[in-house]
Amino acid sequence: AQTVTQSQPEMSVQEAETVTLSCTYDTSESDYYLFWYKQPPSRQMILVIRQEAYKQQNATENRFSVNFQKAAKSFSLKISDSQLGDAAMYFCAYSSNFGNEKLTFGTGTRLTIIP
Amino acid sequence: DTGVSQDPRHKITKRGQNVTFRCDPISEHNRLYWYRQTLGQGPEFLTYFQNEAQLEKSRLLSDRFSAERPKGSFSTLEIQRTEQGDSAMYLCASSLWQGTMTPLHFGNGTRLTVT
Repeated sequence: AQTVTQSQPEMSVQEAETVTLSCTYDTSESDYYLFWYKQPPSRQMILVIRQEAYKQQNATENRFSVNFQKAAKSFSLKISDSQLGDAAMYFCAYSSNFGNEKLTFGTGTRLTIIP
Repeated sequence: DTGVSQDPRHKITKRGQNVTFRCDPISEHNRLYWYRQTLGQGPEFLTYFQNEAQLEKSRLLSDRFSAERPKGSFSTLEIQRTEQGDSAMYLCASSLWQGTMTPLHFGNGTRLTVT
């Protein structure tokens, strides 16, 4: 079974600064997807960014980028120019490429933005 | 696209009672997922449907839980003889599966409290 570990229960960053959230995972599969989801107080899980394991290039979405290290099974999220609206729980998630979008989530990191 | 809708938003019930939650996916989405999220944890997969067919159920889904998706549109999740351990957020998500991985769209969840 796959597992996802987020070792930082809480992180804080000054507004406009950069923060990196860590995620490691364990799998024996070679083809899979990794995701970062954001869950604000409104509770809705929102996809931030996704990475396909067979792609070596790190995914980027505006201020959000990942550092995907397949051999190390590491998948960190970098948020640049942090904004107050970035405050939320961030979940790292894994999905096998087996024909469904069933996700295995980590325990989350609560990100606080300091004005 | 009105998003994934879940009803009710909150439900408080007494131990032993039955409860039913409803999820309305994005209209053109053929897949629908249910997840459970307990306090301080990431969501855990419960079950998913493609159209009206229930394709997979997690071992977390005890015999007291049943999910349906009649006509491949909305879905219901029923919990019979609720227990305090059932207290959690129940999240619904949908996607348009066309043979490749597509992002899940989540609803705002139903928070269940069993007293």
